[in-house]
Amino acid sequence: DVKVTQSSRYLVKRTGEKVFLECVQDMDHENMFWYRQDPGLGLRLIYFSYDVKMKEKGDIPEGYSVSREKKERFSLILESASTNQTSMYLCASKITLGRKGGGGGNQPQHFGDGTRLSIL
Amino acid sequence: DAKTTQPPSMDCAEGRAANLPCNHSTISGNEYVYWYRQIHSQGPQYIIHGLKNNETNEMASLIITEDRKSSTLILPHATLRDTAVYYCIVTDTGNQFYFGTGTSLTVIP
Repeated sequence: DVKVTQSSRYLVKRTGEKVFLECVQDMDHENMFWYRQDPGLGLRLIYFSYDVKMKEKGDIPEGYSVSREKKERFSLILESASTNQTSMYLCASKITLGRKGGGGGNQPQHFGDGTRLSIL
Repeated sequence: DAKTTQPPSMDCAEGRAANLPCNHSTISGNEYVYWYRQIHSQGPQYIIHGLKNNETNEMASLIITEDRKSSTLILPHATLRDTAVYYCIVTDTGNQFYFGTGTSLTVIP
């Protein structure tokens, strides 16, 4: 089974702090994703990465950055935390379509259990 | 990506089949239908996905209509642990997942 591990389940930080959220996957997946989930808004994609050192902006990248130095780890960084960044943050990973052993077809994303971040 | 429409809530008796509908009338030919569920305070859990044919795995069955404009997720014997919010998603690349508000399924003892 795919295992996606987020470093913290709950985190409380102060306005203006630099915040790091870490995500590790154990299945050698090329693709990794960061979302935030807010009531009534569903999941919104912040950033994703399809390879080491590669990143793509999602729908709401403002105020965030990411780092992918190793294949298994994808970090989300809040440069200067603000109260409107209080949310549930979810990390996901996915194998690349067409890769040997990938099974062909479209492939699912596998999610971690999330980090509930509060900015005071 | 095409949008989906799901009923906001459903109840199901424990041990009975739970049939969760999803409308995706604007789906395009290369878009897959995915189902996930989310139990409170946990991340979304992948259930099943398909393109045209019906699919079955150890968790559920996915029935896609011939015109692909709607689908039904079937949990054959619902248990209390199946109480969750169920999301139906359509996507072509699998890189942009738009989770809406889903269907809140309550399994009743």
